[in-house]
Amino acid sequence: GESVGLHLPTLSVQEGDNSIINCAYSNSASDYFIWYKQESGKGPQFIIDIRSNMDKRQGQRVTVLLNKTVKHLSLQIAATQPGDSAVYFCAENLVRSQGNLIFGKGTKLSVKP
Amino acid sequence: SAVISQKPSRDICQRGTSLTIQCQVDSQVTMMFWYRQQPGQSLTLIATANQGSEATYESGFVIDKFPISRPNLTFSTLTVSNMSPEDSSIYLCSVGLARKEETQYFGPGTRLLVL
Repeated sequence: GESVGLHLPTLSVQEGDNSIINCAYSNSASDYFIWYKQESGKGPQFIIDIRSNMDKRQGQRVTVLLNKTVKHLSLQIAATQPGDSAVYFCAENLVRSQGNLIFGKGTKLSVKP
Repeated sequence: SAVISQKPSRDICQRGTSLTIQCQVDSQVTMMFWYRQQPGQSLTLIATANQGSEATYESGFVIDKFPISRPNLTFSTLTVSNMSPEDSSIYLCSVGLARKEETQYFGPGTRLLVL
């Protein structure tokens, strides 16, 4: 289940299960969204992106869903593996230009073997 | 994506001193950015490093505290000046590639502890 920790919401899942990480974004004018994965001691790693003219995009084992009506973004990870354990951030781009990435608070995913 | 390196990877500094962090990219990029990530927190944009001109700073960040250089299309530095313990953070550079400008790719970060 999902719980709020001292700093980051934490999602704990069993290896092999599917994970769903949620993000509420702030600006209805945002037109581009990115999910990043940050492992301990590393910089954020690009996972998948989606533009506002789409509501779903699939990658390898990951799917991003976008609901513009409620300004909600989700990342689904299929068959979660221990290597998926990390902090996941969503980011929104306010306008079609660089530098305007606004990051969400992040969710810590913990995968139990 | 591009290969991005940062130096130093970590440092422990005394208050009142300054530290310059380097960011090197393996290819020419149009945009370079500097972020701060405080312990257990998300990322906050400090500034956009502009090649050949002064950096563009976000609200709450000033040039005197965080001077930035960008002498060419593959290199940038961020200096954290007159440090205090509140500056203890991870400092990250990111780049935007010409073929897909909105997407930013990040370096490994510099972990700074100020005593």
